[in-house]
Amino acid sequence: AQTVTQSQPEMSVQEAETVTLSCTYDTSESDYYLFWYKQPPSRQMILVIRQEAYKQQNATENRFSVNFQKAAKSFSLKISDSQLGDAAMYFCAYRSGNNDMRFGAGTRLTVKP
Amino acid sequence: GAVVSQHPSWVICKSGTSVKIECRSLDFQATTMFWYRQFPKQSLMLMATSNEGSKATYEQGVEKDKFLINHASLTLSTLTVTSAHPEDSSFYICSARDGGTGVAEQYFGPGTRLTVT
Repeated sequence: AQTVTQSQPEMSVQEAETVTLSCTYDTSESDYYLFWYKQPPSRQMILVIRQEAYKQQNATENRFSVNFQKAAKSFSLKISDSQLGDAAMYFCAYRSGNNDMRFGAGTRLTVKP
Repeated sequence: GAVVSQHPSWVICKSGTSVKIECRSLDFQATTMFWYRQFPKQSLMLMATSNEGSKATYEQGVEKDKFLINHASLTLSTLTVTSAHPEDSSFYICSARDGGTGVAEQYFGPGTRLTVT
């Protein structure tokens, strides 16, 4: 079974600084997707970024970028120029093909003004 | 972007009663819908997967007779918690997959908070 591990229950970053959230996963599949979701206090799940496993290039979305290391099964999220609105729970997720999505335990990010 | 709605957003019911939660895809056809459960300060745990017109597939440990899922159309899935008990109090999130896109994007509803008294 696929598992997703987020080893950082909580992280803190100063406003305008950069923070990296860690995620590792375990799978025997070669074709899959990885995601980072943000869940603010409203609890609405918001897609931050997505990475297709077959793509070697790391995905980027404005201030958000990932470091995808397929051999190491690592998928970290870097948030640059952190803003107060970035404070939320962040979940790493894995999906193989059209199967269901599996989530990590989450990392609570605090942004200090 | 695609929108998934859930109704109600918050429901309080008495122990022993049943409550139905609706999940709708508003601007796309959802070939597959997922139901998740999230306890406070925890992650999303998949309860079941449903395909339109088929019986839902439940995850191990989820009582199918207690959590009834119906996916009668390509835009609507319902979760009925039967004979609810306080331990069923949780946040329930549905997710719908857009079968019309190559990547099969998955969109999340805003969730339903269930409180059983």
